[in-house]
Amino acid sequence: QVTLRESGPALVKSTQTLTLTCTFSGFSLSTSGMCVSWIRQPPGKALEWLALIDWDDDKYYSPSLKSRLTVSKGASNNQVVLRMTNMDPVDAATYYCVRTRSGFGGYVFDDWGQGTLVTVSS
Amino acid sequence: QSVLTQPPSVSAAPGQMVTISCSGSSSNIGNHYVSWFQHLPGTAPKLLIYEDSKRSSGIPDRFSGSKSDTSATLGITGLQTGDEADYYCGTWDINLGGSWVFGGGTKVTVL
Repeated sequence: QVTLRESGPALVKSTQTLTLTCTFSGFSLSTSGMCVSWIRQPPGKALEWLALIDWDDDKYYSPSLKSRLTVSKGASNNQVVLRMTNMDPVDAATYYCVRTRSGFGGYVFDDWGQGTLVTVSS
Repeated sequence: QSVLTQPPSVSAAPGQMVTISCSGSSSNIGNHYVSWFQHLPGTAPKLLIYEDSKRSSGIPDRFSGSKSDTSATLGITGLQTGDEADYYCGTWDINLGGSWVFGGGTKVTVL
């Protein structure tokens, strides 16, 4: 059974750096083709893809947020960490981590965490 | 403004069918597989369809996906009250170095 859980601060201040951790079970990020993605949804708005890290430690970022994002494998082999610098109130959103498969057909976003709501104070 | 265009809302009575369109371009839908996601209020989004038309594990055959040129379509037949949710299409876009993009979402209302 695959599970993913996002953790991190519920409230950050403008200009601060947000650090979120995705702790997962039921799969290995070392398996060829396996990835973890981060996706967010501001209140009342659409889903927005942020970043992806794959089994080979390759990383991909949203072009519009690339300068502010860093995704990495955590200290434990079942964790992925997302850092977003210079937070702004417009970054308030529910942040999801997602088990993602990479293959001939592209990316498949199979399993989603429950998400963590982040508020940004000005 | 989303790269992929979806209608804001569609509605139908229980038992009826709805279709949701997702319009893109050659940089995305025209050359990459499309996925569809269901987002029920208060829950995590769920993968319904991947690679244009393949149903994810456990998804009933009431849900179907198709694609033609630079547009994709999600169909839901035998509409149920539990299908009332937001639906998103998504695909890879090669512009700006490549990234995954989502549509703006479509709210399905069961009348």
